[in-house]
Amino acid sequence: GQQLNQSPQSMFIQEGEDVSMNCTSSSIFNTWLWYKQDPGEGPVLLIALYKAGELTSNGRLTAQFGITRKDSFLNISASIPSDVGIYFCAGLEGGSEKLVFGKGTKLTVNP
Amino acid sequence: ETGVTQTPRHLVMGMTNKKSLKCEQHLGHNAMYWYKQSAKKPLELMFVYSLEERVENNSVPSRFSPECPNSSHLFLHLHTLQPEDSALYLCASSQGTPKVGDTQYFGPGTRLTVL
Repeated sequence: GQQLNQSPQSMFIQEGEDVSMNCTSSSIFNTWLWYKQDPGEGPVLLIALYKAGELTSNGRLTAQFGITRKDSFLNISASIPSDVGIYFCAGLEGGSEKLVFGKGTKLTVNP
Repeated sequence: ETGVTQTPRHLVMGMTNKKSLKCEQHLGHNAMYWYKQSAKKPLELMFVYSLEERVENNSVPSRFSPECPNSSHLFLHLHTLQPEDSALYLCASSQGTPKVGDTQYFGPGTRLTVL
């Protein structure tokens, strides 16, 4: 079935640095979602994107729906320790009932 | 209570036991989902219910049996599980099914360990 390639798999950064991660698919998606999961908790929605080229911010987080509709990017500016966690992308193909997830990017922020 | 709640948060069971996971959503949504999250693997969709009717069964073994008595509650009945079924089981809900692009909101999950 459809799979998403999410990279990088993990990141170790210093507090204050900016972070970028991305997701790519082999087919066209109509929706891209970015979630964050803390240990022992379920994923929490950060940003939802519904239109090619769309750029949406949520505080220090910015995500973009790629023009080709086959990729999406998430940027975190001026990282802080509470940004640690696993970030997942998820995408939805047109007419599908299934939300497809990436394997996640594990972020570690060193104070 | 707000959002999506799941009970129990942790469960340890033997392979011959029968147990049930419960999910409740307080968002007025019409669709509910069960996902399995294993280490280093993407979230795997198991079941989708829309208005209490199952609309997706993603080739899940019969030892997992879902039940959706109403749009606010979703159960996952477990019996004769295998150790490889140990995982975090996540429930989610959305206003409509994914076809209409509605966002899914997740519960905190049940950490299941099968001995």
